[in-house]
Amino acid sequence: QVQLQESGPGLVKPSETLSLTCTVSGGSISGYYWSWIRQPPGKGLEWIGYIYYSGSTNCNPSLKSRVSILIDTSKSQFSLKLSSVTAADTAVYYCAREGRGATGQIDYWGQGTLVTVSS
Amino acid sequence: SSELTQDPAVSVALGQTVRITCQGDSLRNFYASWYQQKPGQAPVLVIYDKNNRPSGIPDRFSGSSSGTTASLTITGSQAEDEADYYCNSRDSSGNHVVFGGGTKLTVL
Repeated sequence: QVQLQESGPGLVKPSETLSLTCTVSGGSISGYYWSWIRQPPGKGLEWIGYIYYSGSTNCNPSLKSRVSILIDTSKSQFSLKLSSVTAADTAVYYCAREGRGATGQIDYWGQGTLVTVSS
Repeated sequence: SSELTQDPAVSVALGQTVRITCQGDSLRNFYASWYQQKPGQAPVLVIYDKNNRPSGIPDRFSGSSSGTTASLTITGSQAEDEADYYCNSRDSSGNHVVFGGGTKLTVL
């Protein structure tokens, strides 16, 4: 059973960089797209971006200038950096796996981690 | 288009059938997937590739699609089905993932 676990600071100051890591266990990181998805309190899901196991990435156009996603296949980890954060970036951040076929289906999700942007 | 549109809220009487819809141009090219999310929990995939259920998802959940509209149907709604439901797919270019705004299902 594939498991994903987010880790990183729960509090980030405005204008600073949010950094999260997702550790994948119970399955191979190869052959899949790995996504970051967020959900502001009381709101819907927003896709942030993905990284393919080979290292290619793509991001939500609305966030593209602030997002960096990297992968370390040797550690079965991928990471998110979101720069110049504001209160609007306060959300539960999920890491997730897109199933084979790249049709958007997210078959495994992390439990989510709340990141609050506040001074 | 990179948007998927869902009705914000739907209600259904206990034991009855409810359909939740999702509209978007990308659905001409990609099947919708559907997720159930209960308060304080991560979303759970309930339907993928138009009408496939992951292991453990009850068969009262089914999916369908026609043109630019995908539907999630719950036949014989149970109290535990009360949740937020989201659709998603790749966008029309295939390069991005998109989510609908979500539908809050109330079971009366």
